[in-house]
Order: sequence, then structure tokens, then C-alpha cells
Amino acid sequence: DTAVSQTPKYLVTQMGNDKSIKCEQNLGHDTMYWYKQDSKKFLKIMFSYNNKELIINETVPNRFSPKSPDKAHLNLHINSLELGDSAVYFCASSQSGNIPARYTFGSGTRLTVV
Amino acid sequence: GESVGLHLPTLSVQEGDNSIINCAYSNSASDYFIWYKQESGKGPQFIIDIRSNMDKRQGQRVTVLLNKTVKHLSLQIAATQPGDSAVYFCAEKGDSGYALNFGKGTSLLVTP
Repeated sequence: DTAVSQTPKYLVTQMGNDKSIKCEQNLGHDTMYWYKQDSKKFLKIMFSYNNKELIINETVPNRFSPKSPDKAHLNLHINSLELGDSAVYFCASSQSGNIPARYTFGSGTRLTVV
Repeated sequence: GESVGLHLPTLSVQEGDNSIINCAYSNSASDYFIWYKQESGKGPQFIIDIRSNMDKRQGQRVTVLLNKTVKHLSLQIAATQPGDSAVYFCAEKGDSGYALNFGKGTSLLVTP
């Protein structure tokens, strides 16, 4: 009964490839996020969707494109992968309202670009 | 730009001792703060949060203290256990009202 699930957990791919990471939440939350965690453990927001609408789009290369087919899903597609894209990508969800920021995180997708 | 940071990147404590993890923030308009724990190979997990109209909040074995005057946040863990070994992040609610801005993280190592 995983609340926020991401697939795949590990992804090793060559430079220049295109890959996708999927995220699903079964908490009934209305907001979902993608965070990137670098090798120094720093967590940085990339995107956020509220009720399927993009509300946060930080300075991220155009090669990264999120898609939210419904409130429970937020996928991340990455084109023309580069070495610097290697990181752990976390999906999270929350319910907007009184406590909008109490996130539930997935277990992460470790992306390695070789 | 505004940022959230930590004083100590690593902290080693003995089992049974109390731990204190510190965090400094720079956005004086921040009104909500939260602590997360991240164990190896897992995503961050919520520990405790606090609104800016409070200066202290207690949970089970954890206490968060907020000093708005000096823009400082701390997490106190009582009777630290080996299972508390993890990376701890403080975060503040960002300008968008939705996204959390995370600090750099402190690695807590509990030794027997």
C-alpha cells in the first residue's frame, strides 16, 4: 500500500537517450512535485502540479518535461540525457490547504547517465 | 537569493544522548518550517513542523524550536537511538506557497 510510488527505482542509460520516470500517489492529494537530489544530498524543486495544472516550473532545462494525466499521476520525461542529469529524483505529493507543505515522498529514482 | 542552510553537515552522538540539529534561514517572511528525516535509500519522511506564530513544538522524542529574531530553527531528539541515524533536512515554505525550499542536510550518526 505504497502512498507515493515511483518507477523505476534505478535507471542506467547512455548519454543522448530519452527516458521517463513515473509517479503515482494514492493519498488523494491534489498537488504533486518533482525534486532532484544531487550527490551532496541537496534537494531542489523542479516542478509542481496542482489539480493537473503546472504551478511551479523552476529553472530546469527544456529537456525535462513533466506530464500530469490526472491528479494521482505525475510523470517526468527527459530528452537527450546528459551526464549532469545523474541524480536521485523524488516525487512527492501534498494536499493544499491549511498545511500545504507536509509532503509525502516516494522512495526515489536513481538515474545514472553514462 | 533567499536560502535555508544548516550549521553542521555531520553530527555524531552516542546512543542515549540528546541530539540537536541546527538550521538557519534567511527569508524573514517564511511562516512555516518543517523537518524531514531521510534514511539511506529512502525518500524524506516528515518528522515535525512549526508555524511562525509558535516558538516551540513537541512530538514524540522530538522538539522543534524556532527563533525568529535570529532566523534559527533547531531539532532536538531525546535519547537518540541507532534508528535515528539518517540525514535531517529543515525546509521552509517557499514564496509560491506550495513548494518547500530545503536546507543542505545534516547527517546524524548514532554510535552504540
